[in-house]
Amino acid sequence: SYELTQPPSVSVSPGQTASITCSGDKLGDKYTCWYQQKPGQSPVLVIYQDSKRPSGIPERFSGSNSGNTATLTISGTQAMDEADYYCQAWDTSTNYVFGTGTKVTVL
Amino acid sequence: EVQLVESGGGLIQPGGSLRLSCAASGFTVSSNYMSWVRQAPGKGLEWVSVIYSGGGTYDADSVKGRFTISRDNSKNTLYLQMNSLRAEDTAVYYCARGSSGWYDWGQGTLVTVSS
Repeated sequence: SYELTQPPSVSVSPGQTASITCSGDKLGDKYTCWYQQKPGQSPVLVIYQDSKRPSGIPERFSGSNSGNTATLTISGTQAMDEADYYCQAWDTSTNYVFGTGTKVTVL
Repeated sequence: EVQLVESGGGLIQPGGSLRLSCAASGFTVSSNYMSWVRQAPGKGLEWVSVIYSGGGTYDADSVKGRFTISRDNSKNTLYLQMNSLRAEDTAVYYCARGSSGWYDWGQGTLVTVSS
């Protein structure tokens, strides 16, 4: 089965850049999405098709995908960005698959 | 405004059955890809089932043969029939809309499988 691996946690200072990686075999050949989830809330789509932002998502969120790694970058991180982040892709063998999740802490 | 409202969760014994509903408004369920995604307490997200606009369905291996996704076009509602429930099915179940990403999510409904 297809698997996506993320670091369990990322820490960042306010105003700095946070980068969250998502690794999977030939992930660059697939479209990747990213979701933000705050405690007690439903997930929110922040990036789709590798690098596109849905309406209403701040420009500080950006994405890229190449080789075996997709990356979500949060530029000028704010306290409100503290949350869990999940990558997600589609694979022919397992259909939809989520990454293991990364907790972003803004120190 | 798009809205998804799940219902039907609760406490159920192992081996039991439950049907979840997801009432949609602001769009037509049958014209969209609709999915169920679950999250066990303190754990990550797990895709469960999808129904495509054309009617085709797919399920995660973990629920294949036990769960069935369906929709009622007249009620603009998505369903998840869950049979032979196990303790490991305990989770918050979300319905979600989208194809290249899940743009809209419901608030979730908690299913607890325990004796």
